[in-house]
Amino acid sequence: SQTIHQWPATLVQPVGSPLSLECTVEGTSNPNLYWYRQAAGRGLQLLFYSVGIGQISSEVPQNLSASRPQDRQFILSSKKLLLSDSGFYLCACQRGGGTETQYFGPGTRLLVL
Amino acid sequence: AQSVSQHNHHVILSEAASLELGCNYSYGGTVNLFWYVQYPGQHLQLLLKYFSGDPLVKGIKGFEAEFIKSKFSFNLRKPSVQWSDTAEYFCALETGGFKTIFGAGTRLFVKA
Repeated sequence: SQTIHQWPATLVQPVGSPLSLECTVEGTSNPNLYWYRQAAGRGLQLLFYSVGIGQISSEVPQNLSASRPQDRQFILSSKKLLLSDSGFYLCACQRGGGTETQYFGPGTRLLVL
Repeated sequence: AQSVSQHNHHVILSEAASLELGCNYSYGGTVNLFWYVQYPGQHLQLLLKYFSGDPLVKGIKGFEAEFIKSKFSFNLRKPSVQWSDTAEYFCALETGGFKTIFGAGTRLFVKA
């Protein structure tokens, strides 16, 4: 079964600094990959998804970007962090669309000060 | 646009009480529906899913959900909750593409 790794687990960054969160997947090939932000009382907000290497779809225009340099690697980035970027970021993978289950990583808690 | 509504943000129950968590969605076509659960300190994981066939779906740990198309609902139920069911529960909708829309979540606390 799929295993999703995310690092770092926790990150404290100053406003205006860059960001790079990494997600890697084991146990499957050519997965669909997702970045979500989870906020208390607001559920999971889909930020980006990717159906293949170099293919990124953005759901919410904002200060973040994503890249997929390899089949099982998904990176969330920012050039300059804002206070509002603080949150809990989850990476997920899915073998196909539709009825397939999404598998989630442990998440990264980001605090921007 | 598709959306998912979970009516109860916080639910507190005593052990052995019955549970029903509401989930309604907004979409007029064919849907795939999911319930995910996040136990304290653990990853989000699938509880159950519906994509066709019997509208009453059974999942892990004694949970079940019923898809009622006419009501656009997919409520989660368990006849008798346990302390270990304390978790956050998310209803989710997928409409045939690659995106899954999640509800805001319901935090369940079960008193021992």
